[in-house]
Amino acid sequence: KQEVTQIPAALSVPEGENLVLNCSFTDSAIYNLQWFRQDPGKGLTSLLLIQSSQREQTSGRLNASLDKSSGRSTLYIAASQPGDSATYLCAVRANNAGNMLTFGGGTRLMVKP
Amino acid sequence: NAGVMQNPRHLVRRRGQEARLRCSPMKGHSHVYWYRQLPEEGLKFMVYLQKENIIDESGMPKERFSAEFPKEGPSILRIQQVVRGDSAAYFCASSPESGLPQHFGDGTRLSIL
Repeated sequence: KQEVTQIPAALSVPEGENLVLNCSFTDSAIYNLQWFRQDPGKGLTSLLLIQSSQREQTSGRLNASLDKSSGRSTLYIAASQPGDSATYLCAVRANNAGNMLTFGGGTRLMVKP
Repeated sequence: NAGVMQNPRHLVRRRGQEARLRCSPMKGHSHVYWYRQLPEEGLKFMVYLQKENIIDESGMPKERFSAEFPKEGPSILRIQQVVRGDSAAYFCASSPESGLPQHFGDGTRLSIL
């Protein structure tokens, strides 16, 4: 059974810092991995999707990497801003799980001005 | 080009009542997924439906919960005889085909008194 873990559970940083969010998964047979952002009381916004054959994806100040063999992904946020404050969720779609996404518990990020 | 629409946004029910949550997928999407987010927990997959068919319901509780996605109209997640433990945010996602990224709605926050 696939399990996804995110560390740290919460993070508070001053504005301008570069930061790394971690995601690990127990079954390396994944189809893809996705990073989402969730604002309080809102739904999920997809940030980056990495296919199993890819090593990383970039969008603006965000960079996500994937190391399938070690079961890890990181989300790197450069020059953090207060507007980046949100919960960041990592989700994997396993090869044998149809279309089901398995989510981590999330990292609650607070960027202080 | 409306996204995934869920209603109501907030629903309050007393123990023993029925809760009906609706989800209208994005235009052109025929695949719908329901997830539940319990307080302080990550999202957990419940059920995956394609028009008029349940494809995977491995995450659905065996009793009191049911889901449908009729040929016409929204997908409905129905919870009978609600209990306090059903209090959660219920998210719907849709995709145009199996395997493509899922787009999420803003969720329905269900509170049981």
